[in-house]
Amino acid sequence: SAVISQKPSRDICQRGTSLTIQCQVDSQVTMMFWYRQQPGQSLTLIATANQGSEATYESGFVIDKFPISRPNLTFSTLTVSNMSPEDSSIYLCSAIKGLDRDSGNTIYFGEGSWLTVV
Amino acid sequence: AQTVTQSQPEMSVQEAETVTLSCTYDTSESDYYLFWYKQPPSRQMILVIRQEAYKQQNATENRFSVNFQKAAKSFSLKISDSQLGDAAMHFCASSDGQNFVFGPGTRLSVLP
Repeated sequence: SAVISQKPSRDICQRGTSLTIQCQVDSQVTMMFWYRQQPGQSLTLIATANQGSEATYESGFVIDKFPISRPNLTFSTLTVSNMSPEDSSIYLCSAIKGLDRDSGNTIYFGEGSWLTVV
Repeated sequence: AQTVTQSQPEMSVQEAETVTLSCTYDTSESDYYLFWYKQPPSRQMILVIRQEAYKQQNATENRFSVNFQKAAKSFSLKISDSQLGDAAMHFCASSDGQNFVFGPGTRLSVLP
């Protein structure tokens, strides 16, 4: 398994500001992802955080709005830029430790960061 | 492309009873993985159980077991001896190895 720590766990942000969420994994992982979850909804993938290169974004998400860094195999950040009330959501960091069958190809999640934009 | 469907938006069960949550999926992959996660009010997504599609035997994990019907592309979760701590959103998910797709979730209530 993998233990994933996220911070902040919760924040109230002013419209037009930016906030960076940090994600730390307790061991080296193969892949890291960022998800968004609107209240009562399922998870929507924002992007795959690539170590040492630009993240791979899903349709509807762009780097200018959600810049992502992954400087090494255990750490990633997601910035939500120029926030509006529509960005109020839970943001989840996640990771896959290994892609082989022995590792179980399982995705693990951080505790989530609940952002409210006012 | 993968899709995951959960047809039960809400379910309830009496404490100590058994409940089954439904999930159907579709994938063009021959090798894939299926999962059930739960998300309590604390928001943490917690792995409940995992099934490798190449394994015919249904996965079990203590009070949790699955009924994996590969031909029907069905993957239901059975929770035995339900406990108050099982109250949560339960998400079914599939993976082709790198890409994960989550279902819309089933909100499970456990009645004391």
